[in-house]
Amino acid sequence: DTEVTQTPKHLVMGMTNKKSLKCEQHMGHRAMYWYKQKAKKPPELMFVYSYEKLSINESVPSRFSPECPNSSLLNLHLHALQPEDSALYLCASSQEGNLRDEQYFGPGTRLTVT
Amino acid sequence: AQKVTQAQTEISVVEKEDVTLDCVYETRDTTYYLFWYKQPPSGELVFLIRRNSFDEQNEISGRYSWNFQKSTSSFNFTITASQVVDSAVYFCALRDMNTGFQKLVFGTGTRLLVSP
Repeated sequence: DTEVTQTPKHLVMGMTNKKSLKCEQHMGHRAMYWYKQKAKKPPELMFVYSYEKLSINESVPSRFSPECPNSSLLNLHLHALQPEDSALYLCASSQEGNLRDEQYFGPGTRLTVT
Repeated sequence: AQKVTQAQTEISVVEKEDVTLDCVYETRDTTYYLFWYKQPPSGELVFLIRRNSFDEQNEISGRYSWNFQKSTSSFNFTITASQVVDSAVYFCALRDMNTGFQKLVFGTGTRLLVSP
């Protein structure tokens, strides 16, 4: 089973709202990732968690706050977003986060900020 | 700097045609991995293949084949007898030690449209 699930599928939020995106995997993977993808662009890495610790933050604004409560779960907390933050947010996981590990992606959450 | 170039922005073919998607990469590392992902309209990126820098053997998987040539820094992807379900955006990606072993460098993607 190479499944990564993400909820919700779609999210519309105002600039003053607080919301969270959720990602789950049950493959025993120890590395999890958040990507942001704008239309007609490749995914851009935001955060990497390795063994439940934040290992990479690609200079993401603080209005995005990641959390890894356990090895299967990854959240992205959103607060005071801007319209330009509207995008597809993809979660991924990989076995160890090593050079050779392929990443498995979820279906994404399509976020619209109004 | 690490870079992946997919010069073909969009390709349109008719079903049953063969199509090749080009990928050219740049890296100074001798150890690196290359990947291909498919992104259908649903949005999920689907892993297709991984190739390491020491393995230049070409690979075939059903209608899919990959041609890795270090001499030209290319890792091209061919779909034989294309089908409508192959319509998607295809991304080539690179990972090496310089970018950090957890970071994928993606190309800009090639949109493939297969019409009946």
